[in-house]
Amino acid sequence: AQTVTQSQPEMSVQEAETVTLSCTYDTSESNYYLFWYKQPPSRQMILVIRQEAYKQQNATENRFSVNFQKAAKSFSLKISDSQLGDTAMYFCACPQSNDYKLSFGAGTTVTVRA
Amino acid sequence: DAMVIQNPRYQVTQFGKPVTLSCSQTLNHNVMYWYQQKSSQAPKLLFHYYDKDFNNEADTPDNFQSRRPNTSFCFLDIRSPGLGDAAMYLCATSRDTESYEQYFGPGTRLTVT
Repeated sequence: AQTVTQSQPEMSVQEAETVTLSCTYDTSESNYYLFWYKQPPSRQMILVIRQEAYKQQNATENRFSVNFQKAAKSFSLKISDSQLGDTAMYFCACPQSNDYKLSFGAGTTVTVRA
Repeated sequence: DAMVIQNPRYQVTQFGKPVTLSCSQTLNHNVMYWYQQKSSQAPKLLFHYYDKDFNNEADTPDNFQSRRPNTSFCFLDIRSPGLGDAAMYLCATSRDTESYEQYFGPGTRLTVT
């Protein structure tokens, strides 16, 4: 079974600084996508960024970027110039095989301090 | 321009009283999912539909049922809610493409009294 591990339950960062969230995963797929989702307190889960495994270039979306290490099955998320609105729980996700399901990590709660 | 809509946003029910949560989507996606999420935890998949094909997770209690009458709508029925069923229930959709990217609704917060 596919597993996703987020080893940091909570992280705190000063506004305008950078924070990196770690994620490791296990999959038997050769071609797949990886995702980071953000869930602000009492608000909707939204996609932050996705990475296609066959692309060597790391994905970037504005202040969010990933460090994807395919051989190590590592997929970390970097939030640069942190803003108060980045305060949320962040989930790493990878597909399970052939049945349209995602495995989610346990989540990392990020708190941005003013 | 809401894409995945869940109603109601908050639902209070009594112990043992059946309750139905609804989800609709304007994305015309083939796949729809129901998740249960408890405080500060990852979403837990209950079941999903690929078109009308129903797929139950092995550890989903029999107390939970689902219906998908058409592409746009999906319902979650809890036949006899217990106190342990109090949670946020998330609906999500995806296309049947290789990415498996899911789009989530805002959730329904269920309280059982």
